[in-house]
Amino acid sequence: DAGVIQSPRHEVTEMGQEVTLRCKPISGHNSLFWYRQTMMRGLELLIYFNNNVPIDDSGMPEDRFSAKMPNASFSTLKIQPSEPRDSAVYFCASSSWGGNTEAFFGQGTRLTVV
Amino acid sequence: GENVEQHPSTLSVQEGDSAVIKCTYSDSASNYFPWYKQELGKGPQLIIDIRSNVGEKKDQRIAVTLNKTAKHFSLHITETQPEDSAVYFCAASPSNDYKLSFGAGTTVTVRA
Repeated sequence: DAGVIQSPRHEVTEMGQEVTLRCKPISGHNSLFWYRQTMMRGLELLIYFNNNVPIDDSGMPEDRFSAKMPNASFSTLKIQPSEPRDSAVYFCASSSWGGNTEAFFGQGTRLTVV
Repeated sequence: GENVEQHPSTLSVQEGDSAVIKCTYSDSASNYFPWYKQELGKGPQLIIDIRSNVGEKKDQRIAVTLNKTAKHFSLHITETQPEDSAVYFCAASPSNDYKLSFGAGTTVTVRA
């Protein structure tokens, strides 16, 4: 398996624009996580899906953030409208079951909002 | 919720010496404690994990110890090598929960 695949690797956008980050989890994994990493706040869990269903989105900072998982092999994280404070590295991770087993992280998407 | 604290935030060691990173957690229900290594430009990668029914676990130069009474666990790297330079994260998760709470990370630099 190629591991968790995220795209794009880098994204530079202007404030106010819509940004969509994409993730393909490892085949057979039923748990998917979106994390945000910044120097100030470290690794923050944004949202968790289990069997394609959002279980907990309490980490999503604002209504500008939304995430979907239309099927077991694809998820998106959307920011609309984007703001400079959204600049961070966004990671997608998947695991075979929840947080009590190894989570496999993608390479991340470095988002810069100018 | 779970709160994981990690120390030190930075650690510089001479090649060949040992490195120790310590973490404490708050939720007594936590029973899964993984350690992740993050290299520059990459996502975190699991290097070792331990569950609450085990007090110590080793994998070559890496070992993790767990003290459930004191709610702390530690990562030990022996005979450090330049490729051990990275950011290390500890984490904790309860058995009945999906959330993995991460520490703030330790930047380890191995001097040649």
